[in-house]
Amino acid sequence: DQQVKQNSPSLSVQEGRISILNCDYTNSMFDYFLWYKKYPAEGPTFLISISSIKDKNEDGRFTVFLNKSAKHLSLHIVPSQPGDSAVYFCAAADNFNKFYFGSGTKLNVKP
Amino acid sequence: IAGITQAPTSQILAAGRRMTLRCTQDMRHNAMYWYRQDLGLGLRLIHYSNTAGTTGKGEVPDGYSVSRANTDDFPLTLASAVPSQTSVYFCASSKFWGSGNEQFFGPGTRLTVL
Repeated sequence: DQQVKQNSPSLSVQEGRISILNCDYTNSMFDYFLWYKKYPAEGPTFLISISSIKDKNEDGRFTVFLNKSAKHLSLHIVPSQPGDSAVYFCAAADNFNKFYFGSGTKLNVKP
Repeated sequence: IAGITQAPTSQILAAGRRMTLRCTQDMRHNAMYWYRQDLGLGLRLIHYSNTAGTTGKGEVPDGYSVSRANTDDFPLTLASAVPSQTSVYFCASSKFWGSGNEQFFGPGTRLTVL
């Protein structure tokens, strides 16, 4: 059973608007969370992370929110740009540094 | 080279054959990982190595073996390939072992087992 879930396989957003990608997890022992971005025929690249001691981390247009009580993670992209079109994976790490990935959400930002 | 390289880029393999996927990093990272990516399942950890000379099992280790003879190389071997091992395989590395260390990924190897 997957410990990290991304229930939306795809999301379409207009350029300039906000993109919100969601992620849920089941293991309360996860203490570090990350978002990766993947373009076709390339490996995933790190985007942003958050430790379980925080509830928000911001890096330019990207903000990750963590709600530990709900075991929910979200990535906000504001404003969205066509170059943001990619598959986004959320990941959670346990204290053994094993990463568990969600199944990915394909974001399409329309010009 | 800079980063992680994987070879081959893609491979079609007959069931029952032995196959080694190669992974090399030039960042002097201590930890390395192998994942497989399957549709609807995301990336799943196969094996990892937290430092040269040591390896460990991930989520889906059966049918795969790894070795870590030195810092740079982390080959993944399928001793006798089966069709369920058709997948895209990603090698990754991180500077240190431990939560909070970003993993860097290679470009992947697409493997088809017939």
